[in-house]
Amino acid sequence: EPEVTQTPSHQVTQMGQEVILRCVPISNHLYFYWYRQILGQKVEFLVSFYNNEISEKSEIFDDQFSVERPDGSNFTLKIRSTKLEDSAMYFCASSFSGRVNTGELFFGEGSRLTVL
Amino acid sequence: GNSVTQMEGPVTLSEEAFLTINCTYTATGYPSLFWYVQYPGEGLQLLLKATKADDKGSNKGFEATYRKETTSFHLEKGSVQVSDSAVYFCASRSGTYKYIFGTGTRLKVLA
Repeated sequence: EPEVTQTPSHQVTQMGQEVILRCVPISNHLYFYWYRQILGQKVEFLVSFYNNEISEKSEIFDDQFSVERPDGSNFTLKIRSTKLEDSAMYFCASSFSGRVNTGELFFGEGSRLTVL
Repeated sequence: GNSVTQMEGPVTLSEEAFLTINCTYTATGYPSLFWYVQYPGEGLQLLLKATKADDKGSNKGFEATYRKETTSFHLEKGSVQVSDSAVYFCASRSGTYKYIFGTGTRLKVLA
């Protein structure tokens, strides 16, 4: 069964360092997302991406964050200068459709980021 | 803004017990509602969904009914198994690209 894969599963970094989280969405999907979950809190929407551009982003997704689909298969989330409060589980998701009735999200296992 | 509130866990049940995990939402308009499940070491998986009022979503013995009058979408299962141990997330979506998730409820089923 096709699945969304994420790497790394866990990354530890120093505050101020750049981090890139990688995702390989399901191959025929057209919509891509990043969500995050700070320990014990809600799963929060960060950004959605369609047709090689951001379609929607939350207030969390500030200038420190960027997304890219560099080669038609990977979908990356970059945090330019990590802060302690960026420590969270980051989930990548993809869907074939953006329509409410058919746009089921398929999630990866998550990448846990720990900022020290 | 839109939000989803679900009961805090953990919920610990014996095998074959009845399960209810409460979920309520606030939204403008009529959102679609979802339950996702996360088994240990895996990603979030869609468990069931309902797209309009009075719809009942069901899968793997789990059910949830979209109740507009109480703005609720409670998850139920008549007889839980050890293999149902996981974290369950309630979510809503209102015509945009983003889903609004609850905090998740951890379920632990004891043999």
